[in-house]
This record gives sequence, C-alpha cells and structure tokens, in this order.
Amino acid sequence: EADIYQTPRYLVIGTGKKITLECSQTMGHDKMYWYQQDPGMELHLIHYSYGVNSTEKGDLSSESTVSRIRTEHFPLTLESARPSHTSQYLCASSVPGDPNEKLFFGSGTQLSVL
Amino acid sequence: RKEVEQDPGPFNVPEGATVAFNCTYSNSASQSFFWYRQDCRKEPKLLMSVYSSGNEDGRFTAQLNRASQYISLLIRDSKLSDSATYLCVVTSGGSYIPTFGRGTSLIVHP
Repeated sequence: EADIYQTPRYLVIGTGKKITLECSQTMGHDKMYWYQQDPGMELHLIHYSYGVNSTEKGDLSSESTVSRIRTEHFPLTLESARPSHTSQYLCASSVPGDPNEKLFFGSGTQLSVL
Repeated sequence: RKEVEQDPGPFNVPEGATVAFNCTYSNSASQSFFWYRQDCRKEPKLLMSVYSSGNEDGRFTAQLNRASQYISLLIRDSKLSDSATYLCVVTSGGSYIPTFGRGTSLIVHP
C-alpha cells in the first residue's frame, strides 16, 4: 500500500468559499503532483513539484495554487470555489530521476461546489 | 492531436477471453511507458511498465513499438476481476512528467 494520504475524501461546499485539499506522503519522495479527473475522462496535470520550494504549473490551466514548504506535504488551495471546479483531485508522488519511476496515488478528493 | 490516445471502449468480453488494447503517443522522444489500472471511483495503480523488448507478468503482456509509436496490453484468460479502466501513461522530456491517456474500459462478464 502507498503511504500517501489525501483529506478530505469528499467535500461539498458553496460557491465563493476558500478550500484547501491536503496531501501528505511518508515515503520521502521529492516529486509530487496534482491531477484533476472528471468521470470517464483522462487525468489532467494541474501542478507538480520537484521538491521543497519548487512548484510548477501543469498542462491544464487551473485557478488553484499549491505550496511545498515540506517534502511530505503538498496542499492545493482554491481561493474562491466555483461550480466549474467540481471534479476529482488526485495527488501523487514519485522518486525523481528514475525513468521508470512509479507513481503512487492518494485516494483522491471528490469536490462538489454548489 | 492528443499526446496519448486510447480507444475508450468499453470492451465487453466473456470470462476466459483474450483482449488487447492499443495506445498511441505523439511525442517521438517519449522515454518511459506504463499501463495503470483504475477501478471505478478509485485511484490509478501501476499495472506494469513497458520495456522495449516487451514484457510479461502472468496473464498480462505489454509491448512497445517505437517506430509506430504505440504500446499494447494483452490480457489472456480474462477474469471478472479484470474489469476496470486501463490507462496508458507516457513520460517525456528531461523532467519525466507522466501524461495519461483517457483509458480503455474493460468489462468481463460471466
């Protein structure tokens, strides 16, 4: 089992609220990712990080922001949630530099914005 | 053109059948290739890496064709528990950022 945790598992929230999705891993992985996935669709990379103090935007434009102050923690924040943000958010980590690096995923956060 | 393309299916097969999925990728400089499995409303999990020489893991065989830029997954003797979505994943560039295909849905019925 992967040691990567996401909370909350489900979140229903009203428009305009600020939310933070938590992601933590205990494997000491430097590389971490946030993917967004709608039902039946592919995972889209929205943010990633090579390590502490490193954050990069992914392929999919997102209004969310991330931070990486500690190796094990990679939270994602939406300053003002909108119904268009309703989706599943998956956090992952991997060991960098290995071309066959395996991605370890958390269980995801299903976000619904009303 | 999408970077990684898969036939979404669904592939509906009886138990014991052999089924094959293909995936094409657009970046000829892609370096690493994988198949992940995703069950309904669950996170993806690595099924197997795909090596240039092809590789096998029990009932699963993966192959890579760099010239034609596609990878394949063959499942023999399908089980009910094989029902899931199979995601093709390709990493490219020096940063090895993984790109996911949309996935191919497999339904194995009795």
